[in-house]
Amino acid sequence: AQSVTQLGSHVSVSEGALVLLRCNYSSSVPPYLFWYVQYPNQGLQLLLKYTSAATLVKGINGFEAEFKKSETSFHLTKPSAHMSDAAEYFCAVSSRDDKIIFGKGTRLHILP
Amino acid sequence: EAGVAQSPRYKIIEKRQSVAFWCNPISGHATLYWYQQILGQGPKLLIQFQNNGVVDDSQLPKDRFSAERLKGVDSTLKIQPAKLEDSAVYLCASSPFRGTETQYFGPGTRLLVL
Repeated sequence: AQSVTQLGSHVSVSEGALVLLRCNYSSSVPPYLFWYVQYPNQGLQLLLKYTSAATLVKGINGFEAEFKKSETSFHLTKPSAHMSDAAEYFCAVSSRDDKIIFGKGTRLHILP
Repeated sequence: EAGVAQSPRYKIIEKRQSVAFWCNPISGHATLYWYQQILGQGPKLLIQFQNNGVVDDSQLPKDRFSAERLKGVDSTLKIQPAKLEDSAVYLCASSPFRGTETQYFGPGTRLLVL
C-alpha cells in the first residue's frame, strides 16, 4: 500500500526566506509523486509532479522538489517566500493506473 | 478553457436529510473523481469514473452515498441520509485519462450537517 507523510501541519517562514515543506512516501513500486496547492475556498492546483524522469522537478510559481529514492522523500522548496505563497500544500503519491493518495497537508504561513 | 464547475458551493442540512452535489468536468476529460476532504485532512477518493463506468468506489460508503455519471459528462454525488461526520468539502476533479495524468479540481462544495 502507498502512503504519504507530511512533516509539520503548520510551517511559518518570513517573507524572502527559504520555504521547505517535507514529504516522505511509502510505495512498493516506483512512485509517481505530486505537490498540490490549495488556496482558501478553492480546489487543489498542481504545482509539480515527478514521473520517473529527472529527479529535480521544477514547478509553477518558483517551486521545485527533488526525488530522493534513498530517503524516500520528495521535499518541496522555494528559495524566497512571497506573501502570495500562503496556502495549504499537499503531497501525494500514486503508481501507474492507481489512485492518488494525499497527505494531510501543511499550511504555510508567511510572516511579513 | 473552462475549469471544473461544481454546485452548490455551500450547503447546510440537518442530519438524516438528503443532499446532492453536481459536477461538470473539463470538456473532453474522460476521468472524473469525487473526493471528500474533512477539515485538517487531505482529500480522500470516494469514487472514480472512466467515461460513464465506475473504476474505483472502494472507499464510497455505499449504504448512504451514491454517484452517477450517466452520459459520461457531468456527475452527481448524493448522500442519503446524511450524518454529522459527513460534514466536509466535496471536491470534484477531472483528467484526460486515468493514472498519473494531472487532475484538475473544482472549487468544491462545503457541506455542514447539523
